[in-house]
Amino acid sequence: GNSVTQMEGPVTLSEEAFLTINCTYTATGYPSLFWYVQYPGEGLQLLLKATKADDKGSNKGFEATYRKETTSFHLEKGSVQVSDSAVYFCALSPNDYKLSFGAGTTVTVRA
Amino acid sequence: DVKVTQSSRYLVKRTGEKVFLECVQDMDHENMFWYRQDPGLGLRLIYFSYDVKMKEKGDIPEGYSVSREKKERFSLILESASTNQTSMYLCASSSLDSEETQYFGPGTRLLVL
Repeated sequence: GNSVTQMEGPVTLSEEAFLTINCTYTATGYPSLFWYVQYPGEGLQLLLKATKADDKGSNKGFEATYRKETTSFHLEKGSVQVSDSAVYFCALSPNDYKLSFGAGTTVTVRA
Repeated sequence: DVKVTQSSRYLVKRTGEKVFLECVQDMDHENMFWYRQDPGLGLRLIYFSYDVKMKEKGDIPEGYSVSREKKERFSLILESASTNQTSMYLCASSSLDSEETQYFGPGTRLLVL
């Protein structure tokens, strides 16, 4: 079946630090991959996505590259801000309606 | 701006009560979903609906039912609430054109005593 494993948190960083959240997946075929973000008190919102191998998704300074050879989709940001404090979810879809989510990683950025 | 709204942000119920969680989307989306979110477990799909009056079980449907009488509204029903149903419940919707991109509501935090 399909599954997503992401690094456990919580992660605490200082402003302007480099952020990496690891995500690996197990799936049959060629799924689409996603990062969703949940800010405090809000629902999830799509941060970025990639639909095929070697695609790079990017948004708000975050990037992730679909690596089929390592079945990974790690999220990175070069310089985080306090406003990036949130829970980040890696997810995959076998290109239908269904999403499989990782457990989520809580990130706290200190000023 | 796309919008998914949920009827309550916080709810406290007693064991054995019947609980209704309501979700409304204004994007004319065909697909609607109910998830529960628990620490360390991420989001788990309870039920999915792809059209009015149509539903499919997700990964953890036991103890829940759903209703979709109108396209914009999807209700989650706990027939007899139990303490292990204390959780955050998230509703989402997606269109047939872009099924894998889901739009989420703010969530309902349910406490069952």
